Amino acid sequence: DQQVKQNSPSLSVQEGRISILNCDYTNSMFDYFLWYKKYPAEGPTFLISISSIKDKNEDGRFTVFLNKSAKHLSLHIVPSQPGDSAVYFCAASTTSGTYKYIFGTGTRLKVLA
Amino acid sequence: DTAVSQTPKYLVTQMGNDKSIKCEQNLGHDTMYWYKQDSKKFLKIMFSYNNKELIINETVPNRFSPKSPDKAHLNLHINSLELGDSAVYFCASRKGGGNEQFFGPGTRLTVL
Repeated sequence: DQQVKQNSPSLSVQEGRISILNCDYTNSMFDYFLWYKKYPAEGPTFLISISSIKDKNEDGRFTVFLNKSAKHLSLHIVPSQPGDSAVYFCAASTTSGTYKYIFGTGTRLKVLA
Repeated sequence: DTAVSQTPKYLVTQMGNDKSIKCEQNLGHDTMYWYKQDSKKFLKIMFSYNNKELIINETVPNRFSPKSPDKAHLNLHINSLELGDSAVYFCASRKGGGNEQFFGPGTRLTVL
């Protein structure tokens, strides 16, 4: 039973346009959500996060939106740059107990120059 | 300076062998994790230690045994390796009170 899902395995976007990556979760106990970016042969690197008490968090070109009623979050990258081409993982956790992350299966973003 | 390091980066071995992967973090974090990324690219938690104490132990065969000699190190021993153990194994660490985990570069294990 996959509690965190990224239904789009890949996405191609033109440079300068907006990239929107989506993530759905099923467990209503999750209260903290993160996005990680991963280049080939490297470990995931933290990008941005959001607590369930917020519905938006912004950091430069990256914005994460959380819709708790729909159990859905999205990552917006604008403007997209070729260096953003990577695999993006969303992760969900609870902030009590063990902080165990549950990861989605990732979306490969390709930004075309 | 690498914050979370793993050795080796690549490991190729025969079925039935016993092998270890080492992880070290120089961030002063209290909690460390092992994840497995399988052929479907699914990143799944295996173990977590907090200050040398095991706090997460997912449904993992007991051929896998984590060992934390101190809070900066978390090693993974795998006995009697099987073909299905082939994967990329990632170590991660987290500061007490923080939410973000910091990952190492991964160890690609190939069992022949």
